[in-house]
Amino acid sequence: EPEVTQTPSHQVTQMGQEVILRCVPISNHLYFYWYRQILGQKVEFLVSFYNNEISEKSEIFDDQFSVERPDGSNFTLKIRSTKLEDSAMYFCASKGPGGGVTQETQYFGPGTRLLVL
Amino acid sequence: SQQGEEDPQALSIQEGENATMNCSYKTSINNLQWYRQNSGRGLVHLILIRSNEREKHSGRLRVTLDTSKKSSSLLITASRAADTASYFCAPPYTGANSKLTFGKGITLSVRP
Repeated sequence: EPEVTQTPSHQVTQMGQEVILRCVPISNHLYFYWYRQILGQKVEFLVSFYNNEISEKSEIFDDQFSVERPDGSNFTLKIRSTKLEDSAMYFCASKGPGGGVTQETQYFGPGTRLLVL
Repeated sequence: SQQGEEDPQALSIQEGENATMNCSYKTSINNLQWYRQNSGRGLVHLILIRSNEREKHSGRLRVTLDTSKKSSSLLITASRAADTASYFCAPPYTGANSKLTFGKGITLSVRP
């Protein structure tokens, strides 16, 4: 069964450094998302991406964050200058098309655990 | 906010028992999705129920939806220790690009 993959599974970085989190969505999907979950807290929406542009972003997704789909398979989240509070699990998700349940369901990757020191 | 709110916050049952988890939401939906998250792991999609459906089954899972009450329930029958996880309902905002908003979830513990 197709699945969303994410690399790396863990990343440790120093405060102020740039990190790029990578995701490979399910191949025929068109809608892409990033969410994050700070330890012990809710899963929070960061950004959605469709047709090579951001569709919606949350308040968390400030100028330090950017997303890109550099080719037909990867979807990346960049944090330009990491802060301690960026430490979290970051999840990528993708959705549709396909019709029916497949079109409406968001499928999540296993996550990247980011630790900012 | 369209966040789903799950109830109870925690549930502990014996293996073999059924687990019932509830979700309430605030505004109109096209569908409602349930997810599972094992500790420290990713979110696994369990089941999607559309707004025009009242009940849906998938293996040992049964989901109901009452749009008049803006509520849904997830029933896991004959629970197993492997069902121990956090469970979330996620009512998407309407629209093709709809984001999901998650509540605090329900922590289910199934004792062997």
